[in-house]
Amino acid sequence: NAGVTQTPKFRILKIGQSMTLQCTQDMNHNYMYWYRQDPGMGLKLIYYSVGAGITDKGEVPNGYNVSRSTTEDFPLRLELAAPSQTSVYFCASSYRGLEQFFGPGTRLTVL
Amino acid sequence: AQSVTQLDSQVPVFEEAPVELRCNYSSSVSVYLFWYVQYPNQGLQLLLKYLSGSTLVKGINGFEAEFNKSQTSFHLRKPSVHISDTAEYFCAVSDLVGETSGSRLTFGEGTQLTVNP
Repeated sequence: NAGVTQTPKFRILKIGQSMTLQCTQDMNHNYMYWYRQDPGMGLKLIYYSVGAGITDKGEVPNGYNVSRSTTEDFPLRLELAAPSQTSVYFCASSYRGLEQFFGPGTRLTVL
Repeated sequence: AQSVTQLDSQVPVFEEAPVELRCNYSSSVSVYLFWYVQYPNQGLQLLLKYLSGSTLVKGINGFEAEFNKSQTSFHLRKPSVHISDTAEYFCAVSDLVGETSGSRLTFGEGTQLTVNP
């Protein structure tokens, strides 16, 4: 049981490039979330999903897109990377919206 | 709208001393409260949660927290800390917990606990 896995662990992007951050959970959780963590700022919710085919914006969705075609996967897409998107990204999942289980994170740098 | 304020950004303590990490929240609805711990270069791990019932909640690693509705607080305590407790601690509040309505956590800015020998 791997829990929540995220790939890649690290990535450096140039301004204007695009990429997809992958997130997979094997706990059959219906809820999934994407957060970004910046120093001294806590975690901010980017997008979340309550089930396959259903997504909704969080607090800081601009510059990101998500999809949820299966229960297990919840990829986060950056279309035109900007320096302001330099951050650590965490994916999380939960059952019935209770305890959230977090992945190990993806550290992204945009230069 | 809901918000969380962690009153101390850094808390240095000596090993075996007691510690309290303070958290205040605001919300217009019933709240569900959580404390998470983040060790260096890792994701977040749940320490404890308050959903209902007893206001004193016990978690892992000897931590406990008390929900105080009148003071809108959820302070985290440990009577005797270890070097291994050095980590960042996040308080979070959930606006709604339900099968179809969604549940979103709002996090505080974190408190760095450093335990010195």
